[in-house]
Amino acid sequence: ETGVTQTPRHLVMGMTNKKSLKCEQHLGHNAMYWYKQSAKKPLELMFVYSLEERVENNSVPSRFSPECPNSSHLFLHLHTLQPEDSALYLCASSQDLAGGLRNEQFFGPGTRLTVL
Amino acid sequence: AQRVTQPEKLLSVFKGAPVELKCNYSYSGSPELFWYVQYSRQRLQLLLRHISRESIKGFTADLNKGETSFHLKKPFAQEEDSAMYYCALYNTDKLIFGTGTRLQVFP
Repeated sequence: ETGVTQTPRHLVMGMTNKKSLKCEQHLGHNAMYWYKQSAKKPLELMFVYSLEERVENNSVPSRFSPECPNSSHLFLHLHTLQPEDSALYLCASSQDLAGGLRNEQFFGPGTRLTVL
Repeated sequence: AQRVTQPEKLLSVFKGAPVELKCNYSYSGSPELFWYVQYSRQRLQLLLRHISRESIKGFTADLNKGETSFHLKKPFAQEEDSAMYYCALYNTDKLIFGTGTRLQVFP
């Protein structure tokens, strides 16, 4: 599959569960991102990774834990979430973090998360 | 602080009418600005960027530094333009997105 893929596409979890979201990009990019998309705040940047190093943590609660084992994969580990964390979680990648034409972000389809 | 403002949550027009989606920004320096679009059941994707000075699907956007604006325009709206539109500002290592405007084009 080409582009940016995310699994699972839908996830329902209880507040005491631990789950992980997976993102994979097949574009040879060096930067990857997690966003949260909800009705209240349409696009919230959560984390930015460049060459597997986290360069941005946008005041995200510790119940969200990202992991970037290599430049093609990005995970978001979830534990003890709250119902207000229910949202669409989007992954994106870009060639790198530089300006100009290199920072066009390519988005995945998202994981629809429901926390009960 | 760097910020992107899209004042309209919803813009409804009839097919063939002109469209202008507003975007204002605050940024100290030379801004790089983008418009992203999300069609129903499709993923978010880049529509155009100001440095390319391009027209995509009939849409154009001009950077006005005096008014700190980057409004998206199309002279004649089509039904297939119905979507969510996000204005975004590049800042160091990330994009700052506005809250988005939903465009509805009625037949």
